[in-house]
Amino acid sequence: KNEVEQSPQNLTAQEGEFITINCSYSVGISALHWLQQHPGGGIVSLFMLSSGKKKHGRLIATINIQEKHSSLHITASHPRDSAVYICAVRYKAAGNKLTFGGGTRVLVKP
Amino acid sequence: EAGVTQFPSHSVIEKGQTVTLRCDPISGHDNLYWYRRVMGKEIKFLLHFVKESKQDESGMPNNRFLAERTGGTYSTLKVQPAELEDSGVYFCASSQVIGSGGHEQYFGPGTRLTVT
Repeated sequence: KNEVEQSPQNLTAQEGEFITINCSYSVGISALHWLQQHPGGGIVSLFMLSSGKKKHGRLIATINIQEKHSSLHITASHPRDSAVYICAVRYKAAGNKLTFGGGTRVLVKP
Repeated sequence: EAGVTQFPSHSVIEKGQTVTLRCDPISGHDNLYWYRRVMGKEIKFLLHFVKESKQDESGMPNNRFLAERTGGTYSTLKVQPAELEDSGVYFCASSQVIGSGGHEQYFGPGTRLTVT
């Protein structure tokens, strides 16, 4: 069982819809990362957070440390948001290495 | 400033052959990481260098994998001899501790390794 669980695995939305991706982890973390990978592209870091909420454009990331849960929201989704979104955590007991979720494949239809 | 670069972008080799992957981190980044995604699985950690020293190599699957970072600049990951299960995408990332928040990792484009 992976130590970082993401849901859903796949998500299809119509352009303009609000999208939420969830990530749960098991024990104390130093930081949580949300990453994006477009088809055929490299991995891009969207957010790194250890508490609260961060916003960048139409993307919002939140984390609840007590519940060991994070969400990534995409508002007013657009076809160019179609990508795989990956949650990764840096566990306190594991140094700097990242432990990754399985990713959520998002398809936004026009 | 150039990002993390990896070479080659794609390699196809036969089982039993040797392949060497290269990663050039962002200039000045002391931390360098290797990760791997095999088909259908999540990305997994392989190892972490701080400058030229191996800080953590707990994710290296077996002794067919050898990573080096001579001089603390670029790194190589050699697979010898390659097996079918080594096929996947190998990612490199680098980071530089920034204050107390630390550790934003910047990823390279990956090397897709296919062992036939």
